[in-house]
Amino acid sequence: DAGVIQSPRHEVTEMGQEVTLRCKPISGHDYLFWYRQTMMRGLELLIYFNNNVPIDDSGMPEDRFSAKMPNASFSTLKIQPSEPRDSAVYFCASRHYNEKLFFGSGTQLSVL
Amino acid sequence: AQKITQTQPGMFVQEKEAVTLDCTYDTSDPSYGLFWYKQPSSGEMIFLIYQGSYDQQNATEGRYSLNFQKARKSANLVISASQLGDSAMYFCAMREGDDKIIFGKGTRLHILP
Repeated sequence: DAGVIQSPRHEVTEMGQEVTLRCKPISGHDYLFWYRQTMMRGLELLIYFNNNVPIDDSGMPEDRFSAKMPNASFSTLKIQPSEPRDSAVYFCASRHYNEKLFFGSGTQLSVL
Repeated sequence: AQKITQTQPGMFVQEKEAVTLDCTYDTSDPSYGLFWYKQPSSGEMIFLIYQGSYDQQNATEGRYSLNFQKARKSANLVISASQLGDSAMYFCAMREGDDKIIFGKGTRLHILP
């Protein structure tokens, strides 16, 4: 298996622009998680899905953030409009029921 | 409220010494799991070890062991005979019930030659 695939690896954008981060989980995994990593706050859970259904989005910082999982093999995290304080590494991770998390390589987002 | 607490932001340890990285957690769920992940400077997240709340024995994986003290709600990671390649960020994480997994803020470990 190719593992969890995230794109892009790096994204540089200007304040106010829309940003879309993409994730392909490992086939057969029924949970998908989005995390944000910053120096100050560590690894924060933003949202997670079970069988494509959002279960807990309490970590989503603002209405500017939205996430979707239209099918078992694809998820997006969108920021609109983006702000400099959104600069961080965004990780997608997936797992099968009751197993460990497998992480993607992350997307390094810089908002200028 | 912080559910996973890693009190050591950074640690310096001499090569070949044993290292203990602290982790305390808070949950009222009787069924939970505890993980440790390593993040080297390359940025990838590497799974190290897992302990289930009902596991009778402390988990071990090679040089890694998890010192699980349920009554104290602690799940410290012990690395025996540290190596230069162990220099990295280490995250403790907890799975509550069957679902969400949350992480502590991490401990940056530096192994000195």
